Amino acid sequence: GAGVSQTPSNKVTEKGKYVELRCDPISGHTALYWYRQSLGQGPEFLIYFQGTGAADDSGLPNDRFFAVRPEGSVSTLKIQRTERGDSAVYLCASSLVPGMDEQFFGPGTRLTVL
Amino acid sequence: GQQLNQSPQSMFIQEGEDVSMNCTSSSIFNTWLWYKQDPGEGPVLLIALYKAGELTSNGRLTAQFGITRKDSFLNISASIPSDVGIYFCAGRIGNQFYFGTGTSLTVIP
Repeated sequence: GAGVSQTPSNKVTEKGKYVELRCDPISGHTALYWYRQSLGQGPEFLIYFQGTGAADDSGLPNDRFFAVRPEGSVSTLKIQRTERGDSAVYLCASSLVPGMDEQFFGPGTRLTVL
Repeated sequence: GQQLNQSPQSMFIQEGEDVSMNCTSSSIFNTWLWYKQDPGEGPVLLIALYKAGELTSNGRLTAQFGITRKDSFLNISASIPSDVGIYFCAGRIGNQFYFGTGTSLTVIP
């Protein structure tokens, strides 16, 4: 595709439910990043993948958050037992190689936990 | 995590005016980046800086990497309505990027 796409664009769920957020990076980009952006804040690093493996997951807030990238392309961010504090925009970005400054961001998924 | 503070938090300016915003950190970064984010979109990279003291321009935008490596500023000259948005600084350590709190810019035609 032309750019990074994320689905769904909006997700409303109830406290305690499980959600999956999907990211389709730019074709051929080996590095993929997930960020969380709360209202009025900058993006906060969650995890990044180099190929299929999670090279750094130090930003995941707790074990309710998990992300996979099984074939080195599409990635899914999974949140279990959602809490109201998880409400935010979840951004995905990809770059040709890890650490490359030109990260291309998707439009984000706005998650609302009621 | 790393703390990057941006100021001002918001700006309201007249079209044609110049704008200046800055970013400070308690940590040293090897790379400073400036992004612009429009509503409902992800951030877009504007300028990247790699060396202390470096001054880089991109059209009407000019950014500098502070000598101490703990700060950076972004100037926008002759602002136009499409400059409206939120501007974020970011610092890179290794493969991780740390973003500032953002400066919201409103340009009044």
